[in-house]
Amino acid sequence: GAGVSQSPSNKVTEKGKDVELRCDPISGHTALYWYRQSLGQGLEFLIYFQGNSAPDKSGLPSDRFSAERTGGSVSTLTIQRTQQEDSAVYLCASSLAGVGETQYFGPGTRLLVL
Amino acid sequence: QQQVKQSPQSLIVQKGGISIINCAYENTAFDYFPWYQQFPGKGPALLIAIRPDVSEKKEGRFTISFNKSAKQFSLHIMDSQPGDSATYFCAAMGSNTGKLIFGQGTTLQVKP
Repeated sequence: GAGVSQSPSNKVTEKGKDVELRCDPISGHTALYWYRQSLGQGLEFLIYFQGNSAPDKSGLPSDRFSAERTGGSVSTLTIQRTQQEDSAVYLCASSLAGVGETQYFGPGTRLLVL
Repeated sequence: QQQVKQSPQSLIVQKGGISIINCAYENTAFDYFPWYQQFPGKGPALLIAIRPDVSEKKEGRFTISFNKSAKQFSLHIMDSQPGDSATYFCAAMGSNTGKLIFGQGTTLQVKP
């Protein structure tokens, strides 16, 4: 596709439920990133995949958060046992390579935990 | 060490005026400094970026000024237009990592 796509665009869930957020990066981009945008915390890095290297998980806020990238393309961010403080916009980005390259962002998934 | 501080939090400018947003960083390992523009309901989009080997970069009405010794960089929007009304984020990235560290954002309103 022309840009990074994310689904769903909006997700409402109940506290304690698990959610999966999907990201389709730009074709040919080897690096993929997840960020979280919330009113109180701004834009926070979560996790970074680069090719076949081990992902940089240093931004994941708790062990309830995990992500995988299958076949070097699509990525899924999973939040287990959601809490109200998980409510935020989850943004995915991709870049042609990794370090120092322009990151192109998707429109985000707006998650609301009731 | 990882922080990027951005100011002001909000800015109101008249059409045709100059908008100036400032950022400061702490980590001297940062070597890539992009600015992103975000409209409501959309993801951030790269506006312009600079590396520390130059002190200024201009693209159309947008200019980044970079002061390596002061660890500061700023975005100047010349001839500001109502269509520039958006949230602007500065960011920084180190040479050995792909993750962007973002400033808190500046909401710009350009009045017609």
